[in-house]
Amino acid sequence: RKEVEQDPGPFNVPEGATVAFNCTYSNSASQSFFWYRQDCRKEPKLLMSVYSSGNEDGRFTAQLNRASQYISLLIRDSKLSDSATYLCVVNEVAGTALIFGKGTTLSVSS
Amino acid sequence: EAQVTQNPRYLITVTGKKLTVTCSQNMNHEYMSWYRQDPGLGLRQIYYSMNVEVTDKGDVPEGYKVSRKEKRNFPLILESPSPNQTSLYFCASSFKIPDLGHLNYGYTFGSGTRLTVV
Repeated sequence: RKEVEQDPGPFNVPEGATVAFNCTYSNSASQSFFWYRQDCRKEPKLLMSVYSSGNEDGRFTAQLNRASQYISLLIRDSKLSDSATYLCVVNEVAGTALIFGKGTTLSVSS
Repeated sequence: EAQVTQNPRYLITVTGKKLTVTCSQNMNHEYMSWYRQDPGLGLRQIYYSMNVEVTDKGDVPEGYKVSRKEKRNFPLILESPSPNQTSLYFCASSFKIPDLGHLNYGYTFGSGTRLTVV
């Protein structure tokens, strides 16, 4: 069974902090990578895709390291509203399902 | 509004009483899928469908059935529910599974169905 592994946390940080999450995947043939955000008992929502060249969306930066098979998410200047569970997601082979990590919980406090 | 609609949002039922959770999407997505989410286990895929009349098992299909007679609908059927099927269920859809050159495609999820089987 191919796996996607994440540190479950929780990560407890103050407002304004920078926090980084890492995720590893076991299948070197994996093709597409995503970070999803899930608020308590709600549906997961796509946060951003992850490209080999790295990509940034406001305070969020995602990186992919294919050689080491890990994905990272960096959140700068954390806000209270960033408190959620962040899911690392991998598509192993085109045309098949997305594989979800179990999630990393972030709690931002004032 | 583009969305995936699941019904019901909450359901409490008794062991053995057949039930159906409906899922409908209005985005003309080819791919639809059902997941269950349990504490400590994350999201696990139950069944998926690549297109009309094409369905396949995911990681945890036992005790579930699905059908895909129309592109927009993908109901989840529990013929004889048991307490171990108590869970939070999500339906999801996508234009296509991400492949090379389409890296920005992901899932759109429904709001979830919290099922309790007693």
